[in-house]
Amino acid sequence: DTEVTQTPKHLVMGMTNKKSLKCEQHMGHRAMYWYKQKAKKPPELMFVYSYEKLSINESVPSRFSPECPNSSLLNLHLHALQPEDSALYLCASSPGTYRESNQPQHFGDGTRLSIL
Amino acid sequence: GQQLNQSPQSMFIQEGEDVSMNCTSSSIFNTWLWYKQDPGEGPVLLIALYKAGELTSNGRLTAQFGITRKDSFLNISASIPSDVGIYFCAGQGAGGTSYGKLTFGQGTILTVHP
Repeated sequence: DTEVTQTPKHLVMGMTNKKSLKCEQHMGHRAMYWYKQKAKKPPELMFVYSYEKLSINESVPSRFSPECPNSSLLNLHLHALQPEDSALYLCASSPGTYRESNQPQHFGDGTRLSIL
Repeated sequence: GQQLNQSPQSMFIQEGEDVSMNCTSSSIFNTWLWYKQDPGEGPVLLIALYKAGELTSNGRLTAQFGITRKDSFLNISASIPSDVGIYFCAGQGAGGTSYGKLTFGQGTILTVHP
């Protein structure tokens, strides 16, 4: 069982809808990540939060809006998405402290997003 | 940006055979990671390597961190049907940040015939 929990597991939405993806971890990790993954391709980094502050935005379109309400939660707000945004969206976390900066990321099982 | 070359892209083997896959990079990494991803699930960490030259085993899996810090290999011995999946290598840099950005290989798709 993964220690990073993502909800929902599947989401189908129209291009005009607004929805949110949620991610939760209780490992005390201080770095959290959003990735986008297309079929049989490696994950592509979207955002990194470190100590609840946005540290990296990999030039992601503004129709994706991340939020980190506290150290355990990470949200991804979606609005006016395009069909090409259909993908598996993965959340990951890592200790994120300077002392543990080489510790690996642990992934959730993702949300399968389909845009109609 | 940094790129990892992972090979082979796919493998079709018989149950019981050994498997070997590797990743090479033009840049140095501080950590090498190997993940496995099953359909409908997220990547699961198999092995983490932290020192150049390090050889680490996890059951039937063995991985090594290349001495030049630019490559790593993963071996699976006596493959079984549940080894089917996509295997990703990932290099992690330190770069002065408190987290390590991952650079992924393109993946190796493993199929095991009973």
